[in-house]
Amino acid sequence: QSALTQPASVSGSPGQSITISCTGTSSDVGGYNYVSWYQQHPGKAPKLMIYDVSNRPSGISNRFSGSKSGNTASLTISGLQAEDEADYYCSSYTSSTTPYVFGTGTKVTVL
Amino acid sequence: EVQLLESGGGLVQPGGSLRLSCVTSGFTFSNYGMSWVRQAPGKGLECVSSLSADGGTAFYADSVKGRFTISRDSSENTLYLQVNSLRAEDTAVYYCAKGLTSSPRRPPDYWGQGTLVTVSS
Repeated sequence: QSALTQPASVSGSPGQSITISCTGTSSDVGGYNYVSWYQQHPGKAPKLMIYDVSNRPSGISNRFSGSKSGNTASLTISGLQAEDEADYYCSSYTSSTTPYVFGTGTKVTVL
Repeated sequence: EVQLLESGGGLVQPGGSLRLSCVTSGFTFSNYGMSWVRQAPGKGLECVSSLSADGGTAFYADSVKGRFTISRDSSENTLYLQVNSLRAEDTAVYYCAKGLTSSPRRPPDYWGQGTLVTVSS
């Protein structure tokens, strides 16, 4: 099972909006509405930011939003803040015989 | 408050074995799928194994099939991962993660802080 494809890095200035893409296939991202997004700060465990494509867990800022079109899911961070600087990973249910699959990860830099 | 506490990591020689444990609290353990996710130093995330809420359905990454075994004890609210025939490429932080539902196939919501496994001679 191949990893989902994400850009290696995305950057933006404080207050701007950025979008991170996550591209898979019809066997994972495109076939199911079970895409999650995680934020990971250095040395810390991942934290769920979005689940089931566009749902925010309790306590997550509405500056974070998710969407999907075809085989590509996206995470948008609006009103970028310094604390948003972290690695972000997408993950999806997959029809393969392996567990759910992760994306390659994107480093977000706040300029 | 959901809490996941991993233990059992350490330094082990190639070919060796370890048993990782994850003690959970703050939710009804028997209602949720659980999984183990690892992260090699400086690398991305990989789900190595997941297990359904009833313990009847398990999934493994191709990289660990035949070497790792996932299990759970609902009486102790604990998830386990038996790791055998360890290789250098198994060196990673191993996270325990709670599923969103009883299914072992959906990405998780809560994560533990991880336990480091180092395979080296």
